[in-house]
Amino acid sequence: EVQLVESGGGLVKPGGSLRLSCAASGFTFDSYSMNWVRQAPGRGLEWVSSISSGSSYIYYADSVKGRFTISRDNAMNSLYLQMNSLRAEDTAVYYCARDGRPVSIAASRAYGMDVWGQGTTVTVSS
Amino acid sequence: QSVLTQPPSASGTPGQRVTISCSGSSSNIGSNTVNWYQQLPGTAPKLLIYSNNRRPSGVPDRFSGSKSGTSGSLAISGLQSEDEADYYCAAWDDSLNGVVFGGGTKLTVL
Repeated sequence: EVQLVESGGGLVKPGGSLRLSCAASGFTFDSYSMNWVRQAPGRGLEWVSSISSGSSYIYYADSVKGRFTISRDNAMNSLYLQMNSLRAEDTAVYYCARDGRPVSIAASRAYGMDVWGQGTTVTVSS
Repeated sequence: QSVLTQPPSASGTPGQRVTISCSGSSSNIGSNTVNWYQQLPGTAPKLLIYSNNRRPSGVPDRFSGSKSGTSGSLAISGLQSEDEADYYCAAWDDSLNGVVFGGGTKLTVL
């Protein structure tokens, strides 16, 4: 079964750090570009970051650029999101999601994000 | 304020056809494909339509998508109670170098 399982969420104070993980199974992880998408309470979806299969291409939303770092370990079938200098507005459910085809990151944009994890909750509050 | 614009709400009765619009610009929908996601209450999003009008395996053919210029559209025919959910459009934006989502449309089945 194709599956993504996020972990690492929790309560953190403003200015603090957190590292999210996403464990992939059931597919050839190192062939797919991966994404982080978040959803603040009662709000819509917001794309956070994308990384190509071999980590050569990385993109960030302006709202997290310079504070968040996406990475992956293909040997461990895992995706990560290091979050530093956290703010109250970073409070959200964070989802990892797979691009829809095992092709280049530019080509895979056309196929959407076809597999999503269940999400992990990050709360930034004093 | 989302880069892609969707109506906040839509509604219909069982069996009806409903459409949801998604308005963008030349840097996103105008030059890239539109994808649609369905999010049932309390669950993760699910890919509903990709590449403007293609359905992933398992998505009923009641769901269809289209694109014209800088706008996309999702149509749901034969509306069912289980279609009550939030629907989001998304596209790559060449200027922002990232994925942009619409604000979401809450569909109510009356």
